[in-house]
Amino acid sequence: AAGVIQSPRHLIKEKRETATLKCYPIPRHDTVYWYQQGPGQDPQFLISFYEKMQSDKGSIPDRFSAQQFSDYHSELNMSSLELGDSALYFCASSSGWETQYFGPGTRLLVL
Amino acid sequence: SQQGEEDPQALSIQEGENATMNCSYKTSINNLQWYRQNSGRGLVHLILIRSNEREKHSGRLRVTLDTSKKSSSLLITASRAADTASYFCATDAGGTSYGKLTFGQGTILTVHP
Repeated sequence: AAGVIQSPRHLIKEKRETATLKCYPIPRHDTVYWYQQGPGQDPQFLISFYEKMQSDKGSIPDRFSAQQFSDYHSELNMSSLELGDSALYFCASSSGWETQYFGPGTRLLVL
Repeated sequence: SQQGEEDPQALSIQEGENATMNCSYKTSINNLQWYRQNSGRGLVHLILIRSNEREKHSGRLRVTLDTSKKSSSLLITASRAADTASYFCATDAGGTSYGKLTFGQGTILTVHP
């Protein structure tokens, strides 16, 4: 069965650079979620989209923005990167509001 | 503060034994979900239990939910070395936060062959 696809899988950036993470949900899933997981931490909700509209927002810095496109894929844009942004970024998708299926994550390292 | 807190933080058992992990949360919920994460990898959904359910089974997994105590437990029976992973509970508060999962801190399970 098709799963959530995230790209890139690994990303290394310098401080103050920008990064764009991409997420391709499971076909026919209409909801996308972004989570951030710091080293040794639990995942923290960032933002979600339902039918291309932002549906909820968590502890997402103002330096980050995200959107969901007409084909339902989503992108997380991160600017003015800081060392503390180094983390595993997960995208998840669902049909409706229940079971969320997570992608493999993008590991971001900010140097 | 964390919505979900898990107990124990780490659990080490022998293959064939049962493993029980507990999760407590603070606010009312629509559902509670359990996920497994192998070291630094993606989260795999294990089971979802709704607020009006008390127990659910899936293969070797048994989940209970006590909304009066705001707690849940995950039991893995006849554990295998391949069950070694971190296990997280995540709550969905519903309402205006429908779908927004709040994760607990996780239990690191090690199953020795």
